[in-house]
Amino acid sequence: SQTIHQWPATLVQPVGSPLSLECTVEGTSNPNLYWYRQAAGRGLQLLFYSVGIGQISSEVPQNLSASRPQDRQFILSSKKLLLSDSGFYLCAWSVIGTSLNEQFFGPGTRLTVL
Amino acid sequence: DAKTTQPNSMESNEEEPVHLPCNHSTISGTDYIHWYRQLPSQGPEYVIHGLTSNVNNRMASLAIAEDRKSSTLILHRATLRDAAVYYCILRDRRMIGAGSYQLTFGKGTKLSVIP
Repeated sequence: SQTIHQWPATLVQPVGSPLSLECTVEGTSNPNLYWYRQAAGRGLQLLFYSVGIGQISSEVPQNLSASRPQDRQFILSSKKLLLSDSGFYLCAWSVIGTSLNEQFFGPGTRLTVL
Repeated sequence: DAKTTQPNSMESNEEEPVHLPCNHSTISGTDYIHWYRQLPSQGPEYVIHGLTSNVNNRMASLAIAEDRKSSTLILHRATLRDAAVYYCILRDRRMIGAGSYQLTFGKGTKLSVIP
C-alpha cells in the first residue's frame, strides 16, 4: 500500500533562517506531487506541483522554492523565512495520468516563524 | 475555474444524519464533484466523488442534483470522529502533466458534532 511521510511534524524557526521540509512517498511510482500551505483559519493554497523528477511548477509568487531530486521525494525550501511563511504545510500525491485526480495527503508540518 | 459555495459551519447531533450542501452553478459537463474532509491538525482525506449519478461508499453518500448545479454530502449517522472541515471541490479545468487536473480547495464547511 502507498504511504506518504513528511518531516518534521512541527518546526519553530526565526525570521531570516533557512527552511527545508521533506516529503517522501512509498508504494507508487511516478506520482504527481504537491505542496500546499494552510494559513490559520484559511483554506489550502497550492504552492507547487511536480509531474516528474526535476519538473516543478509554481502556483504563486513567493519566498519558497521546491525541488524533486528523486521520483518519490519532494522538498520545500526557503533561503530566508518571513513571518508570513508560518502555516501548516501539506504534501500530497496523486496517480499521474488520471483525470479523477484523487489526492492523498501527508500528516503535515506546522511551521511557526518568530 | 468553476467555484463552489458552502456554508461556513454546521452542527449536528451525534447519531443523526447530516446533509452538507454545496452549490456549483458554473459547473461544466466534464467536471467531477469531489468531497474531502480535514480533521483537526491533519491533512485532508478523500471522501467521495461523482459526476452525474448519486454515489455511495463506506464513508458517505453523494446526492447530485439533476442539473448538477448543487450536490449534498450525506453522513448517515454522525459520530464525534466526523467533526471536521468538509470541502466540496470541482476539478480545475487546467491540466497538469499527462491528463491530471488540479483541485482547488476553498474554505469548506466546519462540521461540529454534539454528543
